[in-house]
Amino acid sequence: EADIYQTPRYLVIGTGKKITLECSQTMGHDKMYWYQQDPGMELHLIHYSYGVNSTEKGDLSSESTVSRIRTEHFPLTLESARPSHTSQYLCASSEPRANTGELFFGEGSRLTVL
Amino acid sequence: GENVEQHPSTLSVQEGDSAVIKCTYSDSASNYFPWYKQELGKGPQLIIDIRSNVGEKKDQRIAVTLNKTAKHFSLHITETQPEDSAVYFCAASRGITGNQFYFGTGTSLTVIP
Repeated sequence: EADIYQTPRYLVIGTGKKITLECSQTMGHDKMYWYQQDPGMELHLIHYSYGVNSTEKGDLSSESTVSRIRTEHFPLTLESARPSHTSQYLCASSEPRANTGELFFGEGSRLTVL
Repeated sequence: GENVEQHPSTLSVQEGDSAVIKCTYSDSASNYFPWYKQELGKGPQLIIDIRSNVGEKKDQRIAVTLNKTAKHFSLHITETQPEDSAVYFCAASRGITGNQFYFGTGTSLTVIP
């Protein structure tokens, strides 16, 4: 079983609020990712990190930001949430082998912005 | 741009029957093709994968086939059981960047008891 944890699992907030979604893994993986999963199930990469102090934007443009100060921790922040940010956010990590690594996913954070 | 197409989007089968999900990809550099199963309220979990130097791989009731020439790969589940009901995603690795993937749009499989 994967040792990657996301909190909160569910969050309902009002427009304009700042939120941080937490993601932690205990596997020592250098690579971590944030995916946005639409109601129609498709997964879109919004951020990734290949190690401490390394963060990059993914394919899907997102107003969120991420940080990677510690290997095990990869939080995602929305400074001012809007209804368009309503979605499920999945955090994942992988081993450093190129193109062969299994992605280990957390259980997701379902965000609803009213 | 490069992508992965997955069909069907929904699939219902009777318990004990087989289920087949098909994917096509466009990036010629893709060399690793995992399949993920996502149960309700959980994150996706790897169930089987195949590399480009292999044409078929089997793990108990699950098998994956790969045709690199045609750029398509398929997931086969035999003797389906109700616990196989979930959303299944195929994926193809991206070039040489490592551990990034094109994901399919998912197939919602329902196994009817």
